[in-house]
Amino acid sequence: SQTIHQWPATLVQPVGSPLSLECTVEGTSNPNLYWYRQAAGRGLQLLFYSVGIGQISSEVPQNLSASRPQDRQFILSSKKLLLSDSGFYLCAWRDSLNEKLFFGSGTQLSVL
Amino acid sequence: GNSVTQMEGPVTLSEEAFLTINCTYTATGYPSLFWYVQYPGEGLQLLLKATKADDKGSNKGFEATYRKETTSFHLEKGSVQVSDSAVYFCALEGGYNKLIFGAGTRLAVHP
Repeated sequence: SQTIHQWPATLVQPVGSPLSLECTVEGTSNPNLYWYRQAAGRGLQLLFYSVGIGQISSEVPQNLSASRPQDRQFILSSKKLLLSDSGFYLCAWRDSLNEKLFFGSGTQLSVL
Repeated sequence: GNSVTQMEGPVTLSEEAFLTINCTYTATGYPSLFWYVQYPGEGLQLLLKATKADDKGSNKGFEATYRKETTSFHLEKGSVQVSDSAVYFCALEGGYNKLIFGAGTRLAVHP
């Protein structure tokens, strides 16, 4: 069966520090991968999606970047965090057969 | 562009009350529509979906009908339970396998 792993679960970082959140998927090949952010009171916002290795599409201009170095690995990064980067980050992958989106357990990022 | 608008919460109901959470969308064509639910302390999970106009998605007593004439996909349940307390997200297929989500509606059901 397919599983999705996301870590760390919580992270507290100072303003200006770098960021690296990692997401890996098991049990499937060539998945579509997504990074969402759930900010308090603002719902779920799509940040990046990837349809293959090295293929990244950005949905909104921001201080973050994403990379897909391997088929089942999706990384969210920042060189210098801003206060506004605080939020709950969710990785997800898409089952193309039934259109279902599977979410990871999320990372709560607090930038202080 | 594609977008989803949900009614603002929180929605507070007594157990066994009727629930409606409104969702309207803006999109080119006729995208697939979804409702996702996030129970307290858990991740998002698919609740139901509809892939074409007039389709009705249903699951766990919840229903939503794809209405192209009103560009809506309202979520309904005839009798809510305390265990239905969660945040509900309406979403549409935005092309290139992207899901565009609404802001979410928090539902609180009291005994």
